[in-house]
Amino acid sequence: NAGVTQTPKFRILKIGQSMTLQCTQDMNHNYMYWYRQDPGMGLKLIYYSVGAGITDKGEVPNGYNVSRSTTEDFPLRLELAAPSQTSVYFCASTRRLTGELFFGEGSRLTVL
Amino acid sequence: GESVGLHLPTLSVQEGDNSIINCAYSNSASDYFIWYKQESGKGPQFIIDIRSNMDKRQGQRVTVLLNKTVKHLSLQIAATQPGDSAVYFCAENKSTGNQFYFGTGTSLTVIP
Repeated sequence: NAGVTQTPKFRILKIGQSMTLQCTQDMNHNYMYWYRQDPGMGLKLIYYSVGAGITDKGEVPNGYNVSRSTTEDFPLRLELAAPSQTSVYFCASTRRLTGELFFGEGSRLTVL
Repeated sequence: GESVGLHLPTLSVQEGDNSIINCAYSNSASDYFIWYKQESGKGPQFIIDIRSNMDKRQGQRVTVLLNKTVKHLSLQIAATQPGDSAVYFCAENKSTGNQFYFGTGTSLTVIP
């Protein structure tokens, strides 16, 4: 199993550009999450999903959108990139809420 | 939202010594706590978890202690090794909720 796979690993955007961070997991997990991690900081929850067709906002959802059309995929979209969105983005999934969160390797985004 | 914080942002220990990493949480309704290890450039990895009906849990070289009275969580690493150098996060969840909340993290450096 590949686990949680994120693409791209690195990306530089100009202010106002749009992009989608891809996340896919092959563990048949219902719960999926997107976090951002600023330098020297902890993880802040952006959006999460408890199953296909269901998404909900986390702590810092502004400027982002998500969709969950399948169990495997949970893409994160940035519509109008801003410098404040420069961060490392992590996707994670879990089978149950009292279980291990499996993380991807992260996507490092820089907005200039 | 919920808040999970750490007492110390950095910790240096000699190789072979024991390490103790602390975490304070503010949500008394949380009933599940997890410790993660994040190595440089990687996603967080699960270390150990504990439920609120326990006050201690042991793993391989690690022990987690939970003090619900003062809402404090600690991770003890026995015989710390250079490979233990990383950032350590605590996270909390309510079993009736869908979100995991992370603290800021403690950077552990093991001195050979």
